[in-house]
Amino acid sequence: DAGITQSPRHKVTETGTPVTLRCHQTENHRYMYWYRQDPGHGLRLIHYSYGVKDTDKGEVSDGYSVSRSKTEDFLLTLESATSSQTSVYFCAISEIMAGSSYNEQFFGPGTRLTVL
Amino acid sequence: QKEVEQNSGPLSVPEGAIASLNCTYSDRGSQSFFWYRQYSGKSPELIMFIYSNGDKEDGRFTAQLNKASQYVSLLIRDSQPSDSATYLCAVNIPRSNYQLIWGAGTKLIIKP
Repeated sequence: DAGITQSPRHKVTETGTPVTLRCHQTENHRYMYWYRQDPGHGLRLIHYSYGVKDTDKGEVSDGYSVSRSKTEDFLLTLESATSSQTSVYFCAISEIMAGSSYNEQFFGPGTRLTVL
Repeated sequence: QKEVEQNSGPLSVPEGAIASLNCTYSDRGSQSFFWYRQYSGKSPELIMFIYSNGDKEDGRFTAQLNKASQYVSLLIRDSQPSDSATYLCAVNIPRSNYQLIWGAGTKLIIKP
């Protein structure tokens, strides 16, 4: 299994509080992703990173920010959590060869976040 | 709008039968197609990858790709109760090879 950990694994918080989720990898993969997964929607990309300090928005980035100061760590922050951000959050990593479209993504165990 | 569509199911299949899962995609420029399996409460894991038209077999699993019709399917032969899971189809976004677009998944139930 790819070495990907997420912390915390479960969190309950209140509306309006800041929340930071951490993804840590030991594979030295260049690309890292944050997804959320909700019933009926599959996986939706929040933000992704293509290198240290290189990040970009995905399709559902409003209300989220990210940072990547080291290859191995990718942080997702909810500045002011809302009930609509209650979800399961997955971190994923991949390594893509130049000129290739093969993008196998390896997933962390997920974080279940509940915003009351 | 780039989309990947799957029937949400649940798809119920008797043990030992063939399970057939389908996925359609909207962007004709997509080149890489992935099938992931996700058990309840777990993270997705890759089971098949295909990029050429035709069939690709791996054990009990066969992926089929038809780029002209823009669909990709997954066949599971001799279905086992352990195959009960949600199957996610993912497709690469052309000109952005590090992003995938995901279908919502098909829930498969194998009945003993």
